[in-house]
Amino acid sequence: DSGVTQTPKHLITATGQRVTLRCSPRSGDLSVYWYQQSLDQGLQFLIQYYNGEERAKGNILERFSAQQFPDLHSELNLSSLELGDSALYFCASSAQGNYWEQYFGPGTRLTVT
Amino acid sequence: LAKTTQPISMDSYEGQEVNITCSHNNIATNDYITWYQQFPSQGPRFIIQGYKTKVTNEVASLFIPADRKSSTLSLPRVSLSDTAVYYCLVVQGSARQLTFGSGTQLTVLP
Repeated sequence: DSGVTQTPKHLITATGQRVTLRCSPRSGDLSVYWYQQSLDQGLQFLIQYYNGEERAKGNILERFSAQQFPDLHSELNLSSLELGDSALYFCASSAQGNYWEQYFGPGTRLTVT
Repeated sequence: LAKTTQPISMDSYEGQEVNITCSHNNIATNDYITWYQQFPSQGPRFIIQGYKTKVTNEVASLFIPADRKSSTLSLPRVSLSDTAVYYCLVVQGSARQLTFGSGTQLTVLP
């Protein structure tokens, strides 16, 4: 158990819909990262937050957005969903200054039909 | 943006030492190299990180040559439970870019 929690575990929705994925980092970790893992694209970094502020952006689509709240939990919002958005979405957290050692949650499996 | 290249798959036998190499030709001065392990339907798990030369912890060693254009993860005496996908990750110094490799599927045979 990494100490990072993600909800829901599974999500099935239709094209064009909007969903929100939730992540709670390990206790004390200020950094949260979001990743997308699909069969054809591998593990892709989406976005990073540090103590409520956006710190880095990777291959995140404009239809996707994220935020980190004062209690440090984070949400990833995916809108206008397409079939190609079906993937595993992981959240990870790391301690301050230790960004290479990330602790990953169990993931949310999103299926868009 | 550092691009990494790893072998797609490797097979080994129980008790053998396994070395997985990652190529990162355009690594920058302030980039760090890390390795993660992932089992099916689970999130990746941190194994080891390094900047240069050799780093060893209780589960693996990481060898990085002076030019830092590649790195080798060494797993001593693998067991069946080490069967997993291993990812090389180059972390930009400020963590503003995180580039995972395509992963190496390691299969340990009895």
